[in-house]
Amino acid sequence: GQNIDQPTEMTATEGAIVQINCTYQTSGFNGLFWYQQHAGEAPTFLSYNVLDGLEEKGRFSSFLSRSKGYSYLLLKELQMKDSASYLCAVMDSNYQLIWGAGTKLIIKP
Amino acid sequence: GAVVSQHPSRVICKSGTSVKIECRSLDFQATTMFWYRQFPKQSLMLMATSNEGSKATYEQGVEKDKFLINHASLTLSTLTVTSAHPEDSSFYICSARGAGVIETQYFGPGTRLLVL
Repeated sequence: GQNIDQPTEMTATEGAIVQINCTYQTSGFNGLFWYQQHAGEAPTFLSYNVLDGLEEKGRFSSFLSRSKGYSYLLLKELQMKDSASYLCAVMDSNYQLIWGAGTKLIIKP
Repeated sequence: GAVVSQHPSRVICKSGTSVKIECRSLDFQATTMFWYRQFPKQSLMLMATSNEGSKATYEQGVEKDKFLINHASLTLSTLTVTSAHPEDSSFYICSARGAGVIETQYFGPGTRLLVL
């Protein structure tokens, strides 16, 4: 079966750095997406990785290792507005997105 | 970035009535649109995938006669919840993708449905 694993919840302090991990087992791989979802709102696109390595975009970076079936989202200089759920999704061989359950990130002052 | 709108944002209806939700891609042509449902504190659940001009592909367990999907143009898809019941109360979110298969899905703002 297809499976995406990410922690259910994480807590971090304002101004700090947090890494949210995602491991996956899917039938084929056509890229991995990270989305941010604030409570009561739809997801918004953060990043897309299809090759191994680190993609940096401002305070957010995303890393991918295809051989390990592993990705992480790194958030730096955390702000209170970063409190949200972060969804990992993998596009499989049929170009369908397989979604993780999301990681709820709580930022404390 | 690409913009997807959804209407209405919130709807309350009586049990047994039908509700139509519209999803529009405002600044790009969406060859494929997706309809998701999300219950509180749960992940997104894909309901169906629709391609412009063809019948939608429904996920297992999703009743196609209850959740009618029409993707009549490259910028508009509609989801109609027929004979809604309280258990259909949920957050319905559409997303749209451009012509390339490996393209980012952009989400609409979602529609919160409450069936009394």
